[in-house]
Amino acid sequence: AQSVTQPDIHITVSEGASLELRCNYSYGATPYLFWYVQSPGQGLQLLLKYFSGDTLVQGIKGFEAEFKRSQSSFNLRKPSVHWSDAAEYFCAVVADYGGSQGNLIFGKGTKLSVKP
Amino acid sequence: ETGVTQSPTHLIKTRGQQVTLRCSSQSGHNTVSWYQQALGQGPQFIFQYYREEENGRGNFPPRFSGLQFPNYSSELNVNALELDDSALYLCASSLGVGSEAFFGQGTRLTVV
Repeated sequence: AQSVTQPDIHITVSEGASLELRCNYSYGATPYLFWYVQSPGQGLQLLLKYFSGDTLVQGIKGFEAEFKRSQSSFNLRKPSVHWSDAAEYFCAVVADYGGSQGNLIFGKGTKLSVKP
Repeated sequence: ETGVTQSPTHLIKTRGQQVTLRCSSQSGHNTVSWYQQALGQGPQFIFQYYREEENGRGNFPPRFSGLQFPNYSSELNVNALELDDSALYLCASSLGVGSEAFFGQGTRLTVV
């Protein structure tokens, strides 16, 4: 079955430091990949997406992600974290078969805390 | 253009009861998907509606059912509630199957 793995449950970084959140997926063909952010008690906001083309994708709020087929990874990065980035981050892939086809399969999320 | 709105925002129900959650899709969007997000987990796909027909279903029992109306708004119904149904229920709308999904704020359901 298709799956998304986010190895880090919780990460703490200092404000102004760089950030990398890891995401690995299991998939056969070229995947459609997403990163979403969720603030406490809120819905999901799309940060960025990868469908094809340039493997380095720019998103909102200064985030970027790089698709690496050889590593089955789609890691999210930000050069300088702001306190307002504290939230939970979800990586997702579009399911390409089965009852969920065309819909999103999410990882379990990484909670980001930011130290002043 | 209004976004995806869900109602109610919070709900408490007793085990065995039935519940209906509502979702208004973003203007022009004809596809609605529902997800369940248990505490500490990522969202899990429940089902999708496209032009009033169910168009895909995840690994959820039949007591989870839905409807989509001609204006593309949608309902999620859960019968015979169980404690494990306690979760945040998210609705997402899109322009079509497989296109970018826009999420609502969710309904927090607590089953006691």
